Amino acid sequence: DAMVIQNPRYQVTQFGKPVTLSCSQTLNHNVMYWYQQKSSQAPKLLFHYYDKDFNNEADTPDNFQSRRPNTSFCFLDIRSPGLGDAAMYLCATSRDGRNSPLHFGNGTRLTVT
Amino acid sequence: AQTVTQSQPEMSVQEAETVTLSCTYDTSESDYYLFWYKQPPSRQMILVIRQEAYKQQNATENRFSVNFQKAAKSFSLKISDSQLGDAAMYFCAYIASGANNLFFGTGTRLTVIP
Repeated sequence: DAMVIQNPRYQVTQFGKPVTLSCSQTLNHNVMYWYQQKSSQAPKLLFHYYDKDFNNEADTPDNFQSRRPNTSFCFLDIRSPGLGDAAMYLCATSRDGRNSPLHFGNGTRLTVT
Repeated sequence: AQTVTQSQPEMSVQEAETVTLSCTYDTSESDYYLFWYKQPPSRQMILVIRQEAYKQQNATENRFSVNFQKAAKSFSLKISDSQLGDAAMYFCAYIASGANNLFFGTGTRLTVIP
């Protein structure tokens, strides 16, 4: 089945230790998104790629970066995680952005110790 | 700025009964899209239903239907004949036409009582 896969499901990192979360898709969608979802809060868009074009949300901390080496894969890099970065990170894809429905992965829950 | 408000953090419904989840939004746009997404426990978020703002007819998908009131900026989700598998967090979401940023509400956790 075509899908969006996030690895790992659970990630523990130490304060200040760089961490990378990964996302892959078999849908061949043009757009890939990274959302941060904290407990009892709405998912918040961090950035997205339209093909190779990177779009950063204005309030996304500089600590967060992303890479999309090809259509199928997208990575979220947190350079120096703080305790406030503990959250569920959701990867999503859509065929061409805008009003196309989003397809989500299962998410990666990040814990910072 | 666009905002999406879900005023019911938690709701419960008896199996086979009907429940309505509320959502309001704020926008100055005239053309936009509204969505309801479902996030079951430990499972991925999936699309439940979508509504185009330019359409007056309310969207329906089997047991799921919406009540879209454009003037009131209200977009409620009605679940009929509730099933145990409907238990999940439900998110209302908005996107302006031509935009890429989907704005989510804070969610409503639905419990289905057997």
